[in-house]
Amino acid sequence: KAGVTQTPRYLIKTRGQQVTLSCSPISGHRSVSWYQQTPGQGLQFLFEYFSETQRNKGNFPGRFSGRQFSNSRSEMNVSTLELGDSALYLCASSVEGNTEAFFGQGTRLTVV
Amino acid sequence: GENVEQHPSTLSVQEGDSAVIKCTYSDSASNYFPWYKQELGKRPQLIIDIRSNVGEKKDQRIAVTLNKTAKHFSLHITETQPEDSAVYFCAASPGGSNTGNQFYFGTGTSLTVIP
Repeated sequence: KAGVTQTPRYLIKTRGQQVTLSCSPISGHRSVSWYQQTPGQGLQFLFEYFSETQRNKGNFPGRFSGRQFSNSRSEMNVSTLELGDSALYLCASSVEGNTEAFFGQGTRLTVV
Repeated sequence: GENVEQHPSTLSVQEGDSAVIKCTYSDSASNYFPWYKQELGKRPQLIIDIRSNVGEKKDQRIAVTLNKTAKHFSLHITETQPEDSAVYFCAASPGGSNTGNQFYFGTGTSLTVIP
């Protein structure tokens, strides 16, 4: 069974640009959640999608958005990048809410 | 919203000794508490979890205890081995199965097992 796949693994962007990250969940998993991991703030919840609907949202500005497709694949978008957006972005998939979540390898975003 | 605090931030133990990591949470509605292990450069991986209707759960050398009244839960690793060295994160998830996965993580504990 394939695990959670995130692409790309690494990204370097310039301040002010926008970026799209992709997450393919484990087959059969309908919940996909996104987290930002930084050395100073740890793992912070961005949002969660289930059956193409955003079900939960963390405390991040509107520059951070996402969506989920009918095959459960999810994308997150960050517009008008800031230096502080440099982080490891992790997605996690699960069958349902409040169940074991499996993480992808993450996308390392560097904003210069 | 939920706030999870985790202590200690770093922990060094001799191989074979036990390690204990403690977390507290603020939202009494939280009812699912997973623990993740993250090795350097790798993804977080679930090592054990507990639900609020259970006070203790054990899996070989790893155990988790939950005190709902005091709103704290702990990870216990016995007979530590060098491969246990990693960063450990606790998390709390509020709500039921229909409210989705919304984990609030502690800030992590860097565990070093000295051979």
